[in-house]
Amino acid sequence: SAVISQKPSRDICQRGTSLTIQCQVDSQVTMMFWYRQQPGQSLTLIATANQGSEATYESGFVIDKFPISRPNLTFSTLTVSNMSPEDSSIYLCSVDTGVNNEQFFGPGTRLTVL
Amino acid sequence: AQSVTQPDIHITVSEGASLELRCNYSYGATPYLFWYVQSPGQGLQLLLKYFSGDTLVQGIKGFEAEFKRSQSSFNLRKPSVHWSDAAEYFCAVGGPKAAGNKLTFGGGTRVLVKP
Repeated sequence: SAVISQKPSRDICQRGTSLTIQCQVDSQVTMMFWYRQQPGQSLTLIATANQGSEATYESGFVIDKFPISRPNLTFSTLTVSNMSPEDSSIYLCSVDTGVNNEQFFGPGTRLTVL
Repeated sequence: AQSVTQPDIHITVSEGASLELRCNYSYGATPYLFWYVQSPGQGLQLLLKYFSGDTLVQGIKGFEAEFKRSQSSFNLRKPSVHWSDAAEYFCAVGGPKAAGNKLTFGGGTRVLVKP
């Protein structure tokens, strides 16, 4: 199994600012995913981050709001831009193990926007 | 399109009692099925998975799940619940036809354990 870390673990931000979340994996992986989990809700996929290509966004999520970088096979960042209180959520990254869609998850970043 | 339904939003169970969490899926072929657990303030931990073969799968922490194709179900069970099992449980479906290797998650079931 992969060991995944995220930074920061939590943050409190002001409306209108941006926050960049980092996701680091201890092994090389092809596919990484970013999810949002709003309070009391299930996971919603934001985008798939593939090394060497542009991220693929799900319906309802746009690159201007959630820019993603994937500079190598062990690292990715998600930026939440021009934040509003509605962006208060847990943001999780995950990695595809390459076996039958199995994914491992990072510990999440708990974001509160005031 | 693939989908997952977890009919029970909350379940309360006494410590030592048995637990069963329901999961129904929709998928156009043989699915890959997963159960994840999320403890308060934590990420998701994989409990168990089904790809093929034996329809009764064993996972970590004493959990098991049974794949029933005829019922499109993948229910999670534990014979005797511990207080540390209080958490949110998510069922997820993927498969060989899943676009972009994506998983689809159910809404989750929150388990409360009474002493």
